[in-house]
Amino acid sequence: GQNIDQPTEMTATEGAIVQINCTYQTSGFNGLFWYQQHAGEAPTFLSYNVLDGLEEKGRFSSFLSRSKGYSYLLLKELQMKDSASYLCAVRRYNNNDMRFGAGTRLTVKP
Amino acid sequence: DAGVIQSPRHEVTEMGQEVTLRCKPISGHDYLFWYRQTMMRGLELLIYFNNNVPIDDSGMPEDRFSAKMPNASFSTLKIQPSEPRDSAVYFCASSFFVPSGLDEQFFGPGTRLTVL
Repeated sequence: GQNIDQPTEMTATEGAIVQINCTYQTSGFNGLFWYQQHAGEAPTFLSYNVLDGLEEKGRFSSFLSRSKGYSYLLLKELQMKDSASYLCAVRRYNNNDMRFGAGTRLTVKP
Repeated sequence: DAGVIQSPRHEVTEMGQEVTLRCKPISGHDYLFWYRQTMMRGLELLIYFNNNVPIDDSGMPEDRFSAKMPNASFSTLKIQPSEPRDSAVYFCASSFFVPSGLDEQFFGPGTRLTVL
């Protein structure tokens, strides 16, 4: 079995930095993905980690610690358009078996 | 490319009726996924195909659900008979295998199903 946990909701202020955590327990770990989903829309890919460390992509960064079963998504210089749900997803084994967490709904306030 | 195409975008039906959801993946992608999303259960993987062959259908809720992929450009998810608890947004996604592992999935716009 597997378990993917992330906070249900978070609130942050425009221009600030927010960190969204994700912990997982799974067999056959083979990569961790972060997706963004605006209300009423489909998820879209944000970042990918398979090795330990930090991956930076513009205002967004993602970190992975495989030994701790832990990842975080860091959003800098928050903008109102960043208000969305952020889904942590774990890929298992050497295929495309992907399991998603319940998502963290982020609200950015002025 | 137009991206992943799903139809219909919205479906309202009555309990007991058959529902068929359709998906056209991105051309060249060899993986296709069906997901269901609800407030209670989040985004759940139902089934996925590789080169038109079902690889894992362990997420399919029960025998009322079936999925097919007759060719590389078309897949269906069928619910027969439908029940109110099947009400959800159903997403189709596709990807292609990348040796480095960064095989991101591209999601379609989803089908919002309401079973009365």
